[in-house]
Amino acid sequence: AQSVTQLDSQVPVFEEAPVELRCNYSSSVSVYLFWYVQYPNQGLQLLLKYLSGSTLVKGINGFEAEFNKSQTSFHLRKPSVHISDTAEYFCAVSDGTSYGKLTFGQGTILTVHP
Amino acid sequence: NAGVTQTPKFQVLKTGQSMTLQCAQDMNHNSMYWYRQDPGMGLRLIYYSASEGTTDKGEVPNGYNVSRLNKREFSLRLESAAPSQTSVYFCASKTTGGATDTQYFGPGTRLTVL
Repeated sequence: AQSVTQLDSQVPVFEEAPVELRCNYSSSVSVYLFWYVQYPNQGLQLLLKYLSGSTLVKGINGFEAEFNKSQTSFHLRKPSVHISDTAEYFCAVSDGTSYGKLTFGQGTILTVHP
Repeated sequence: NAGVTQTPKFQVLKTGQSMTLQCAQDMNHNSMYWYRQDPGMGLRLIYYSASEGTTDKGEVPNGYNVSRLNKREFSLRLESAAPSQTSVYFCASKTTGGATDTQYFGPGTRLTVL
């Protein structure tokens, strides 16, 4: 069985500062990794995903994530955040064996202060 | 193209009442999913339908039933609501059952059981 741990439940940061949201996973098979964002009172939308190949994945809104197999991590980064990045971020894993079911982490609330 | 739509947006039930949450997608997707979101727990899979005519249990199916009415629609029924089912419910869909496809989420239904 796979699992996902997001190491920070809340991350406060000032506007234009860099941010890293941490995600660790466990799985006994090859994984596919995803980051989703949820803006207040909305559904989830995909930021980026890692399937294979380059370990650095670029997504929408200037976000990127790095897949590290040895450390079983998939941390999300942005070099300069904006007020509009305030949202909850979810890391998720699919092991490719069960009709693409996703296992989600607990979520990290990113709050960007002016 | 509306994507994934859910009705109702909000609902308040008394313990023991029943209700059906509706979900429809207009993207010609084969697979559909129901999740519940609780604070600090991320999203947990209730049921999924890999294709029209099939449904399977997810991580937390107790107290719920589902119907894949046709390719577009996937409903979630609470037969006898309990306070523990107070949550935000999300429907999602994707093209196939493959693990690499992106899931697209609806806006959610916020359910309170008194």
